[in-house]
Amino acid sequence: GAVVSQHPSRVICKSGTSVKIECRSLDFQATTMFWYRQFPKQSLMLMATSNEGSKATYEQGVEKDKFLINHASLTLSTLTVTSAHPEDSSFYICSARDQKTGDYGYTFGSGTRLTVV
Amino acid sequence: KNQVEQSPQSLIILEGKNCTLQCNYTVSPFSNLRWYKQDTGRGPVSLTIMTFSENTKSNGRYTATLDADTKQSSLHITASQLSDSASYICVVLQTGADGLTFGKGTHLIIQP
Repeated sequence: GAVVSQHPSRVICKSGTSVKIECRSLDFQATTMFWYRQFPKQSLMLMATSNEGSKATYEQGVEKDKFLINHASLTLSTLTVTSAHPEDSSFYICSARDQKTGDYGYTFGSGTRLTVV
Repeated sequence: KNQVEQSPQSLIILEGKNCTLQCNYTVSPFSNLRWYKQDTGRGPVSLTIMTFSENTKSNGRYTATLDADTKQSSLHITASQLSDSASYICVVLQTGADGLTFGKGTHLIIQP
């Protein structure tokens, strides 16, 4: 089955530094990738949608200059949290949509726990 | 506005018992409905995906139903195991849309 690899699974960084999270589709090509943020005991909140080779579309309230998204290939998208602050501490999850299966092909990564100290 | 409502918010049952989780949605036009299992600190894992024409779909001890007329779905778990403790999220895709509409999930705890 479709597999999405997300790294790192956990990261601790100092306030003011930047952190990059990678999301790779291992056995399929992803035309669209999604980045979510999840707070404890809450559901996933969509941050942005990225299509390969074009700029990401950010949801209302999400700062595009703070959460930089790059989707340079059909198998890789990255989320960079710039100048991280403690309030950015959260669980970040990516999802990739399979180019071939379209509406049926949404696979999630295993998530990244970011802690900013 | 597209919405997905789940109930109950949380549920505690004894190991070996059955349970049913509910999902109501207003997403239109409808493409498909999914149930995901999310363990704490992990990403969601797909259990079932159902389209408009499918009424029931099973995956092991998990059985999902869909009534597209009333826009309701349920997830039935049979003979629960401790490993079933997780959040179960109902997610609906709108036809022609990229993104998914998520329910807030049901937090299920299985007690020995």
